[in-house]
Amino acid sequence: GAGVSQSPSNKVTEKGKDVELRCDPISGHTALYWYRQRLGQGLEFLIYFQGNSAPDKSGLPSDRFSAERTGESVSTLTIQRTQQEDSAVYLCASSLGGAGVDYGYTFGSGTRLTVV
Amino acid sequence: GENVEQHPSTLSVQEGDSAVIKCTYSDSASNYFPWYKQELGKRPQLIIDIRSNVGEKKDQRIAVTLNKTAKHFSLHITETQPEDSAVYFCAARSPRGAGTALIFGKGTTLSVSS
Repeated sequence: GAGVSQSPSNKVTEKGKDVELRCDPISGHTALYWYRQRLGQGLEFLIYFQGNSAPDKSGLPSDRFSAERTGESVSTLTIQRTQQEDSAVYLCASSLGGAGVDYGYTFGSGTRLTVV
Repeated sequence: GENVEQHPSTLSVQEGDSAVIKCTYSDSASNYFPWYKQELGKRPQLIIDIRSNVGEKKDQRIAVTLNKTAKHFSLHITETQPEDSAVYFCAARSPRGAGTALIFGKGTTLSVSS
């Protein structure tokens, strides 16, 4: 597509429920990243996918968080048993980059998650 | 892993003045340093980047400088305008294995008053 698409744009969920966030990267972008941005805060790295390599999960804050990516297309971020501290904007980004290659990210508009 | 510190957290300037935002990084192997601008309620957008083989890069009113020895880099905005008001994030990436994700600073809220 023309840009990085994320859905839903807003999600309100009850504490303890599971949520699934979706990211559709730019066609041809082999790298895909998930970040979390709490209100007024910076961008916290969660997970990184590069082609068929094993994902870098080093930023996931707990085992309630997981993510998958099908080939070089759509990715889903799943948060199980949501807690109030999970409330944030979840940003997805994609880029052409891989090992030894540096390209800027294109970010999606994010999913604003509110846990009540 | 990489750690990026960014200062100041807030910066207020008068229209026409210059603004400087500074970042330090911890991993001496890092070789890519982009800057992103995020306007209120919008997604971050890349405004300029620099690689470790150069010391300075300019794009109109924006410039970035890199000091590899000291492990710090800075964003310079000259002749600031109200539309420059936004949150600015620096980031760094080190080349390891299959590649790594950018690590971002905590952001600087720039306010330009007319």
